[in-house]
Amino acid sequence: GAVVSQHPSWVICKSGTSVKIECRSLDFQATTMFWYRQFPKQSLMLMATSNEGSKATYEQGVEKDKFLINHASLTLSTLTVTSAHPEDSSFYICSAGALTSVLGDEQFFGPGTRLTVL
Amino acid sequence: AQSVTQLDSHVSVSEGTPVLLRCNYSSSYSPSLFWYVQHPNKGLQLLLKYTSAATLVKGINGFEAEFKKSETSFHLTKPSAHMSDAAEYFCVVSGGSYKLIFGSGTRLLVRP
Repeated sequence: GAVVSQHPSWVICKSGTSVKIECRSLDFQATTMFWYRQFPKQSLMLMATSNEGSKATYEQGVEKDKFLINHASLTLSTLTVTSAHPEDSSFYICSAGALTSVLGDEQFFGPGTRLTVL
Repeated sequence: AQSVTQLDSHVSVSEGTPVLLRCNYSSSYSPSLFWYVQHPNKGLQLLLKYTSAATLVKGINGFEAEFKKSETSFHLTKPSAHMSDAAEYFCVVSGGSYKLIFGSGTRLLVRP
């Protein structure tokens, strides 16, 4: 149980285009989802926190107009990188939490999406 | 503010020998601490977590960690390394409001 998927697993796009990444909780309802960014050989940096049905909370230094987050349902959150540039190339990872008596406060991580902007 | 420092960027051990991955934390209150493992092209997997219960925490795959408040440490250990343990390991502290703050990571190499 508590499986999180991401789609696509990797994507290559041209500079200036937009890319959408999906994060799904497959077997539980996620009240909160998180988006992280990981540069090569570096740690994960939290970009934003989203709760179903409300606006995402972005971390300092993350451009909310560039990284659009939508959490329209309890099982799906999307991250759209708008007008992507080569410096946006990175590994994007989502996680989901449910705050239930069974799952507790644990976050469950997706496998990540590797974005390469040419 | 909460933070974690992983003292080694790389650790190399021989198969069958003990593993020690070091982590120090800083927290203004009693923290929740975690160790996650990341294998190449796979999602992060929770190894174990400390949430103010027993100071010695046992996790999956034979890993364990000891919370030492006096030393502000939460080192990860395993008595005998397997080749399959080679991966990136992250020490993580709860930052409050359900946030996780990741350490810089330690890459574990296991030699045959």
